[in-house]
Amino acid sequence: GAVVSQHPSWVICKSGTSVKIECRSLDFQATTMFWYRQFPKQSLMLMATSNEGSKATYEQGVEKDKFLINHASLTLSTLTVTSAHPEDSSFYICSAQTFGTGTYEQYFGPGTRLTVT
Amino acid sequence: AQSVTQLGSHVSVSEGALVLLRCNYSSSVPPYLFWYVQYPNQGLQLLLKYTSAATLVKGINGFEAEFKKSETSFHLTKPSAHMSDAAEYFCAVSGGGTSYGKLTFGQGTILTVHP
Repeated sequence: GAVVSQHPSWVICKSGTSVKIECRSLDFQATTMFWYRQFPKQSLMLMATSNEGSKATYEQGVEKDKFLINHASLTLSTLTVTSAHPEDSSFYICSAQTFGTGTYEQYFGPGTRLTVT
Repeated sequence: AQSVTQLGSHVSVSEGALVLLRCNYSSSVPPYLFWYVQYPNQGLQLLLKYTSAATLVKGINGFEAEFKKSETSFHLTKPSAHMSDAAEYFCAVSGGGTSYGKLTFGQGTILTVHP
């Protein structure tokens, strides 16, 4: 089946620094990738939608200057958390969407746990 | 605007018993509805989806769900639970067109299966 990877799976960074998370579709091309955030004991919340070669679309309340998204190729999207603060600590999950057998299919990565100290 | 409510953050069943995970949705447009399962340290895996075709949707691993517009529900069932079904389950809703794929998730339900 289609596989989406994320790297790193777990990262700790100091407050004020930036951290980059990669999302890759390993065996298919994804025209659209989505980034979600999940707080402990809470549901996933959509942060932004990125289409290859164009600017990401952010959901209401998500700071685009803080969460930089780049979708430079059909298999790679990156999320950079800039000037991270402890409140940015969370579980970040990406998904990649492709057009399969007559319908769009979305595949999720395993997530990246970010801890800001 | 869309929202999803999963009734019961934890559900416990015996092996071989019926599994019923409840999901109610709210949507201002015709919804697309999904059930995902997440095993520890793995990504979400699609169990099944409703895309305005048959209201009874069959998915993988013996799961099925029925779309009931009048009740705004999309409950997930499996006739006989297996130990391997123990996981967290998420119900999600999406709009159509350019909004397709932008998922709004429920809180999740952790399913425990006892021997």
